[in-house]
Amino acid sequence: GAGVSQSPSNKVTEKGKDVELRCDPISGHTALYWYRQSLGQGLEFLIYFQGNSAPDKSGLPSDRFSAERTGGSVSTLTIQRTQQEDSAVYLCASSQAGSSTDTQYFGPGTRLTVL
Amino acid sequence: GDSVTQMEGPVTLSEEAFLTINCTYTATGYPSLFWYVQYPGEGLQLLLKATKADDKGSNKGFEATYRKETTSFHLEKGSVQVSDSAVYFCALSDRGGNQFYFGTGTSLTVIP
Repeated sequence: GAGVSQSPSNKVTEKGKDVELRCDPISGHTALYWYRQSLGQGLEFLIYFQGNSAPDKSGLPSDRFSAERTGGSVSTLTIQRTQQEDSAVYLCASSQAGSSTDTQYFGPGTRLTVL
Repeated sequence: GDSVTQMEGPVTLSEEAFLTINCTYTATGYPSLFWYVQYPGEGLQLLLKATKADDKGSNKGFEATYRKETTSFHLEKGSVQVSDSAVYFCALSDRGGNQFYFGTGTSLTVIP
């Protein structure tokens, strides 16, 4: 079946602009994660959604970052007033039930470049 | 807090050489441990996992054993191939499944 998809695949923006990144998880997966991968760094956890529960936002680096998940499916990560240090690959992953043993399925990522 | 430390790369090996990529972790509870792989031009995908102490995960000739006494989950393969060239990430998840902690990745290049 279809995997996790993300759009756009690449985004170039100017400093100070807002951007929206989209993630379509695997159908039926209740858990959704956002990560950031900067050059030479590991994956940095940003936010976690599980079903209808309140999201775990503990990884968001600043209040310029926010995310929503509508209808328990599609998620949008919004970065307001982008800064050059926001440049990274943003990865989305979903898992079936969000337990610690579940496999995460990753999307191809969105490469964000802030000029 | 929980964390993962993995061997820094890049690693370059000749085909059929033995591979070890070290991974150690710090966790307050009893995490699950994972190795993910990112092949050139592709997304991250699960390579193998182990969910409790002494479990061995294996896939595609790769193995890793969950060692609680040494807090390690080293990745091994007896004979690497050119097609194994990729970036390998060690990861752990806490009991609640809320957060996953990834290492910085180890780039492997296998030359013929």
